[in-house]
Amino acid sequence: AQTVTQSQPEMSVQEAETVTLSCTYDTSESNYYLFWYKQPPSRQMILVIRQEAYKQQNATENRFSVNFQKAAKSFSLKISDSQLGDTAMYFCAFMKAQGGSEKLVFGKGTKLTVNP
Amino acid sequence: DSGVTQTPKHLITATGQRVTLRCSPRSGDLSVYWYQQSLDQGLQFLIQYYNGEERAKGNILERFSAQQFPDLHSELNLSSLELGDSALYFCASSVGTLLDSPLHFGNGTRLTVT
Repeated sequence: AQTVTQSQPEMSVQEAETVTLSCTYDTSESNYYLFWYKQPPSRQMILVIRQEAYKQQNATENRFSVNFQKAAKSFSLKISDSQLGDTAMYFCAFMKAQGGSEKLVFGKGTKLTVNP
Repeated sequence: DSGVTQTPKHLITATGQRVTLRCSPRSGDLSVYWYQQSLDQGLQFLIQYYNGEERAKGNILERFSAQQFPDLHSELNLSSLELGDSALYFCASSVGTLLDSPLHFGNGTRLTVT
């Protein structure tokens, strides 16, 4: 069974600075997808970024980028130029790359606070 | 707004009771997923439906059941409720496979069992 570990329960960063959230996972699969989701106080889950395991290039979405290290099974999220609106819970998630049955396995989350 | 609608937003009930949570997916989305979010277990996948058929099952208790109707809305039924069932229940939908399309979450139903 796959597991996802987020070792930082809480983090804080000053506005405009950069912060990196850690995520490691355990799997025997060779092809899979990794995701970062954001859950603000409004509690809705919002997709931040997605990475296909077969792609060497790290995914980037505006101020959000990942550092994907497949051999180390590590998938960290870097937030640049942090904004107050980035304050939220961040969840790392794993999914096997198989059509049909699609189950996301989530980590326990990291609570990020951006301070003014 | 993700386009996924969940009702009710909040539900308070007593142990032993039965409740039904409702989800309307985004227009055009065929897949519906249910997740349970609790403080100790985090986000747990419960079940997935695709166009009315069950596609995948996760950590869903036998006291829980779900279905997806012909109009694609879905209901999650929780029976013989226990205190430990108190959680935030999310519904999510996607057009098809998550390999190609993102998962859109609703705002969740907060269930409190007293």
